[in-house]
Amino acid sequence: DAKTTQPTSMDCAEGRAANLPCNHSTISGNEYVYWYRQIHSQGPQYIIHGLKNNETNEMASLIITEDRKSSTLILPHATLRDTAVYYCIVRVVVINTGTASKLTFGTGTRLQVTL
Amino acid sequence: NAGVTQTPKFQVLKTGQSMTLQCAQDMNHNSMYWYRQDPGMGLRLIYYSASEGTTDKGEVPNGYNVSRLNKREFSLRLESAAPSQTSVYFCASSVRPTNRVETQYFGPGTRLLVL
Repeated sequence: DAKTTQPTSMDCAEGRAANLPCNHSTISGNEYVYWYRQIHSQGPQYIIHGLKNNETNEMASLIITEDRKSSTLILPHATLRDTAVYYCIVRVVVINTGTASKLTFGTGTRLQVTL
Repeated sequence: NAGVTQTPKFQVLKTGQSMTLQCAQDMNHNSMYWYRQDPGMGLRLIYYSASEGTTDKGEVPNGYNVSRLNKREFSLRLESAAPSQTSVYFCASSVRPTNRVETQYFGPGTRLLVL
């Protein structure tokens, strides 16, 4: 299994960019990098995913190193509403030939955005 | 669209009691999942259903049963609740688009306390 390592917690000032790192040195060639976040007491929310190219959507940017051993999620202008636990997931296993796959959640990074 | 809905939001049970957690999605997704989240930990997969009419065990299935009633609904049953099943339960659904990368959408969770 591709294991991920994330810092336990980070702080960011409101309006600044939040850069959340993730190490996944054992990632295999066909595994994607996913990011989800979980705001307190809510269900996880999908943010972004990528394979090897950098990706950007309306929520965030994902920068994946050329060797794919690490990635960084960037929230360009963090707000108080971005305070949450952010999960980096690289193990997406197709359980069977249907459409289901398994997400393995670690303990994530607790991002605190402050005034 | 309501997305993924779960009922009840909160439940207190005594040891040995039974209950069913309900989950429904209105996104026409094929796959549905049940996870549990214990304090300070990531989510762990209990059961999943790749498509209507099929169910399979996840990481922690002991003490639970599931029913995929139709494409919209996926219920989780605790036949004889134990204090170790005190947790927050999340339902999720997903569909695999043509690029084979799927995203899971989560419900708001059911908080269960077993005394």
